This record gives sequence, structure tokens and C-alpha cells, in this order.
Amino acid sequence: NAGVTQTPKFRILKIGQSMTLQCTQDMNHNYMYWYRQDPGMGLKLIYYSVGAGITDKGEVPNGYNVSRSTTEDFPLRLELAAPSQTSVYFCASSYRDSGTDTQYFGPGTRLTVL
Amino acid sequence: AQSVAQPEDQVNVAEGNPLTVKCTYSVSGNPYLFWYVQYPNRGLQFLLKYITGDNLVKGSYGFEAEFNKSQTSFHLKKPSALVSDSALYFCAVSPGTGANNLFFGTGTRLTVIP
Repeated sequence: NAGVTQTPKFRILKIGQSMTLQCTQDMNHNYMYWYRQDPGMGLKLIYYSVGAGITDKGEVPNGYNVSRSTTEDFPLRLELAAPSQTSVYFCASSYRDSGTDTQYFGPGTRLTVL
Repeated sequence: AQSVAQPEDQVNVAEGNPLTVKCTYSVSGNPYLFWYVQYPNRGLQFLLKYITGDNLVKGSYGFEAEFNKSQTSFHLKKPSALVSDSALYFCAVSPGTGANNLFFGTGTRLTVIP
């Protein structure tokens, strides 16, 4: 199993540009998550999904959108990038809900908005 | 509201000495507690979790953690530190089931000195 994979690894955007961060998992997990990690801070949940076709907002959803058309994929869309979105983005998945189940993380995408 | 505190940004320990990384939590119900480790330029990796049962939880790479309900703590420990243990450690708490219920601390950077 490859686990959770993310692309790209690094990206630099200009203010106002858009991009999609890709996330794929091959563990047949129902739950998937997007987090952002800012320097000196813990992870903050952006969006999550409990299954194909079902998504919901986390703690910091503004400026982002997601979709979940398949069990495997959970892309994160940034529209009109802003410097405040400079961060490291992690995708994660779990078989059951995150309250008790272990989450498995991808390697991250480092995004800089200039 | 749920929260996690990791009071030390940085912990330094000599190789071969015991190490402790501290975590205290605040949660409205029964807590579910997790430790994750992050190596440079990598995603988070699961170390161990406490859901119920024995207060002493053993995890990967020789790490263990003790759940203390009266002190609302879940400190991570290892009897003999290795240089390869140097990494960023995150404590996380959940009050129960639910996909958006995992809250992370700000992380503690552990440096093991040869």
C-alpha cells in the first residue's frame, strides 16, 4: 500500500491564483481530512469527509473548497489565493471517525503565496 | 471546548537518558488521547493512543504514555532516548466519536544530543 499520497510537494502561487491540492489513499478508508499546519501551531482542520459525496467544514474552511467523488480521492481547492494561505497542507484518512480511530497522514504540500 | 496544551516548545535530552514530553488536556467528556510524531519534511506518524482500559499505553519505537485522569495529563515517555527520536511530537485529544473531533497541541520539538 502506498498509504496517503499528496501532490504537489511544493508550490508557489501568486495572489489571486487558484490551484488544487491532490490527495489519494489506497487503504479503502471512509474518512478523509485536510489540515493546515502553520509555524509554531498545531494542525487545524479545514474540511473533512465521511464518505464519497459527503463533505463538511472543519475549524478553518474559509477560502477553500473540497469534493469527494470517490472513496480514494479528496482534492482541496484554493480559489483566489491569499498570503494567509501560506502553510503546509496535510491530507489524512481513517477507517472510522477520528474520535477513536488512528489517522494516517500524507507527506504534505508546502504552499507559498506571494 | 476541547484543548490540548504542550507546555514545552523544546525538550533536549542526552542519548541514553529517559525522556518525557508533556501533554495536558481539557475535554468535556471522556477523553481519547493520541500521540503523533513528525520527522522533517514528512507527514505525521501515529505513535500510540489511549481510548479506555490500562492507563499505561505502549506504542511504537519503545514509546509509552500514561493517562492520568486526575491531573488531566497524557505524558509521552521513553526509558532510553535515541538520536533518531529527534523530531516534532504532537499530542491530540478527542471527546469521543465524530470526524471533526480531533484537536492537536502546538507540538514539542525533541532533540536528543549524542
